[in-house]
Amino acid sequence: EPEVTQTPSHQVTQMGQEVILRCVPISNHLYFYWYRQILGQKVEFLVSFYNNEISEKSEIFDDQFSVERPDGSNFTLKIRSTKLEDSAMYFCASSEDYRTNEQFFGPGTRLTVL
Amino acid sequence: LAKTTQPISMDSYEGQEVNITCSHNNIATNDYITWYQQFPSQGPRFIIQGYKTKVTNEVASLFIPADRKSSTLSLPRVSLSDTAVYYCLVGDFETGANNLFFGTGTRLTVIP
Repeated sequence: EPEVTQTPSHQVTQMGQEVILRCVPISNHLYFYWYRQILGQKVEFLVSFYNNEISEKSEIFDDQFSVERPDGSNFTLKIRSTKLEDSAMYFCASSEDYRTNEQFFGPGTRLTVL
Repeated sequence: LAKTTQPISMDSYEGQEVNITCSHNNIATNDYITWYQQFPSQGPRFIIQGYKTKVTNEVASLFIPADRKSSTLSLPRVSLSDTAVYYCLVGDFETGANNLFFGTGTRLTVIP
C-alpha cells in the first residue's frame, strides 16, 4: 500500500537555525499539506499546496516558514530561524484530489528546538 | 467552519462495541462528516466519511440522523489496538483544497 514518508524522524536544532523537513507524498496525489502538533495539543493546519503554489495557509505559517516541491517527488517545509515554540511533531499529508476529506498522513518529524 | 463537540475520553472493555458521538449543530448544507484516528506519535488516519444516513466500511460505521446535527462513530468489538484518539471533523471539500481542522478529539482507552 502506498504511503507518505517523512525524513528525518527526529531533528534536533539550536534556536535560530534553519531546518528543512522532507516529505515524499503518494505518487499520484496532487494536493499536499503540512500540519503540526505540539506535544499534548491538537493537530494544527499549516499550509496546503497544489500545482506548485500555496493554496491556503494558516496564521501559524508566517514568513519564517516556506514550502517547496523541488522535484517530482519531494515536498519540503523550511523553517528559517527556529524558535523554541516551533518544537512539535510535523506531519506531511497528501490527497488525490481536493474533493475528498481523505488525506494520507506521514509518520511525522519530531522537531526539538533547544 | 462548523464547531464540533465530542467527549474528551471514553473507556471500553475489549470485545465491546464503542459508540462515539459528535455534535455539530451548525453544520452547513455542503458539509461532510469525517472521522480520523490517531495513535500516539503517529499521524492521523482516515477512518470513514459520510453525508447522511449510514455509512459502513471494514473498520467502522457512521450514523448520521436526518437533521445532521450530530453523528456517531461505531467501532464493533474493539481490541486493545483500537486505543487511540478519535477526531470528528466537519467541512465542505467541494470548494477547494481541503484543510483539515482537528479538535481535541476523544481519547478511547480499551481495557483488557
